Amino acid sequence: GESVGLHLPTLSVQEGDNSIINCAYSNSASDYFIWYKQESGKGPQFIIDIRSNMDKRQGQRVTVLLNKTVKHLSLQIAATQPGDSAVYFCAENNAGGTSYGKLTFGQGTILTVHP
Amino acid sequence: DTEVTQTPKHLVMGMTNKKSLKCEQHMGHRAMYWYKQKAKKPPELMFVYSYEKLSINESVPSRFSPECPNSSLLNLHLHALQPEDSALYLCASSQADRDGEKLFFGSGTQLSVL
Repeated sequence: GESVGLHLPTLSVQEGDNSIINCAYSNSASDYFIWYKQESGKGPQFIIDIRSNMDKRQGQRVTVLLNKTVKHLSLQIAATQPGDSAVYFCAENNAGGTSYGKLTFGQGTILTVHP
Repeated sequence: DTEVTQTPKHLVMGMTNKKSLKCEQHMGHRAMYWYKQKAKKPPELMFVYSYEKLSINESVPSRFSPECPNSSLLNLHLHALQPEDSALYLCASSQADRDGEKLFFGSGTQLSVL
């Protein structure tokens, strides 16, 4: 069960390194996934998305990988910069047949980039 | 423009007060949302409006009352809140494209209930 004062997973990297943030999702019926970045005092910012009929999608410096067999999602950030420091959330769309985005968020990972 | 604007940015209220949070988007999105986020936790869905009609209420207590006056505006009316309701309240809007329903979030209202 969840413990009081649960700490978010953390990842610390040096500037210029590549970062990999992982996420396990629970609903095998989810067909759409989004990665968000949330900086302190701000709302979640859209980074990249992927549909369940794909296993990889690339953006600018970011790549999302989807493994439906094990219900695993990852976000790869190339040449990580200090400005990438934030909390990263994966989100799955389990709209249950509706056409709007009833997103369920993962617990989040704190990324810290050291200069 | 992918901007969702929320006001106020910060709000402090007593348990007997009535206040409202406001959200505005001019992207022509058909769906708007309220999420609640506690510190060090992920956002949790509260309400969904689709075409100005309430589509989802995630069993939210009646002291939170959403309103969608038109397709660009979303309000959250607050009354008789409890200290445990203190949180970041996030508004989002979305429109489906060929990939899926992308949600875009505002910066939130940080609410403190005393």
